[in-house]
Amino acid sequence: GQQVMQIPQYQHVQEGEDFTTYCNSSTTLSNIQWYKQRPGGHPVFLIQLVKSGEVKKQKRLTFQFGEAKKNSSLHITATQTTDVGTYFCAGCNNNNDMRFGAGTRLTVKP
Amino acid sequence: KAGVTQTPRYLIKTRGQQVTLSCSPISGHRSVSWYQQTPGQGLQFLFEYFSETQRNKGNFPGRFSGRQFSNSRSEMNVSTLELGDSALYLCASRVGFNEQFFGPGTRLTVL
Repeated sequence: GQQVMQIPQYQHVQEGEDFTTYCNSSTTLSNIQWYKQRPGGHPVFLIQLVKSGEVKKQKRLTFQFGEAKKNSSLHITATQTTDVGTYFCAGCNNNNDMRFGAGTRLTVKP
Repeated sequence: KAGVTQTPRYLIKTRGQQVTLSCSPISGHRSVSWYQQTPGQGLQFLFEYFSETQRNKGNFPGRFSGRQFSNSRSEMNVSTLELGDSALYLCASRVGFNEQFFGPGTRLTVL
């Protein structure tokens, strides 16, 4: 079945450093979504990527969807303490089946 | 619009018991998915319901079951609870291929 792998599992950075999490699917995706879960909270939708090679930006966050629509990345520039949380990717196939990656837990040292 | 609501928020059960969790989706959302979240395991997909039909199912034993009602509200049942079932159970609703809206979750502790 469809599997979505996400690395790294944990990332600890100094405030101001950059952060990247990567997502790989075993199958071609129709779209990929990214979510953020703050400690003690529930996942909250960040963005959806649909097109091959698509790049979207939200302030310091840059999201990319690979050309083959099987991988994606989230890059945060100059992390802040408010970026702390777990970032999940979720791949959706042509049958509208969605599978989440294991998440990358980001901690930021002030 | 009200968000996704889940009840109860916290639950303590003992091994062997059964439990029923409830989820009310956002009005107009017909798809409801359930996830189990444990530390270090991410979001494990349990099942998805759409228009009262189970549309998809994850790799969980038959002790985990669910259903959806005509008003799109969904329930999840776990029978013969095991210690390993202790987790945060999240439900999420969505429209079509769009983003999922998560509820606050039910924290289940099995003693």
